[in-house]
Amino acid sequence: NAGVMQNPRHLVRRRGQEARLRCSPMKGHSHVYWYRQLPEEGLKFMVYLQKENIIDESGMPKERFSAEFPKEGPSILRIQQVVRGDSAAYFCASSQGQGLTIGYTFGSGTRLTVV
Amino acid sequence: DQQVKQNSPSLSVQEGRISILNCDYTNSMFDYFLWYKKYPAEGPTFLISISSIKDKNEDGRFTVFLNKSAKHLSLHIVPSQPGDSAVYFCAASAGGSSNTGKLIFGQGTTLQVKP
Repeated sequence: NAGVMQNPRHLVRRRGQEARLRCSPMKGHSHVYWYRQLPEEGLKFMVYLQKENIIDESGMPKERFSAEFPKEGPSILRIQQVVRGDSAAYFCASSQGQGLTIGYTFGSGTRLTVV
Repeated sequence: DQQVKQNSPSLSVQEGRISILNCDYTNSMFDYFLWYKKYPAEGPTFLISISSIKDKNEDGRFTVFLNKSAKHLSLHIVPSQPGDSAVYFCAASAGGSSNTGKLIFGQGTTLQVKP
């Protein structure tokens, strides 16, 4: 399966806990983008990473959110001390290069529910 | 500040007829536009795109029209099929040296094609 893999598909966390969302890009893709979709809204850009580098984090909330894309392993979106407002679908996309939107492939998303 | 707007939350058409989905944008720096289709519990799937140097791009049943002066684009699906029922997102990207591949999405339009 050469697609973008996200896990878990569904994640339930209590308020104050940490959430870790994983994204494995398509084979040969070294660029990862994270987006968040709140209920009844479109997708909002959060962060763009290349291996071991954060390139653009202009969409990341200032606190509690962080992202990494290590040399080995998947990209991780980490949300500390989750609140109800963090409940959303989080999508990851990967591409072969910077700005190559035509090659953008999205994963199926992780649906985070904060109770 | 909603830079990409899809003002119709939903659209219903009869099978075999034309579906027209509309999208407006405000940022004149956008130079690449895409349409994505999304089924429930799945990630967005790329449908068709258009560069700002063109005013039309066609791919099978799908055609995208771009009117730069009006900052408006539309997606035409003809003939519409029940399998086209999904949420359609318009997205835009700004070019130039600062282009990181970040996409700005509209809120989405839910298309229902009735048999």
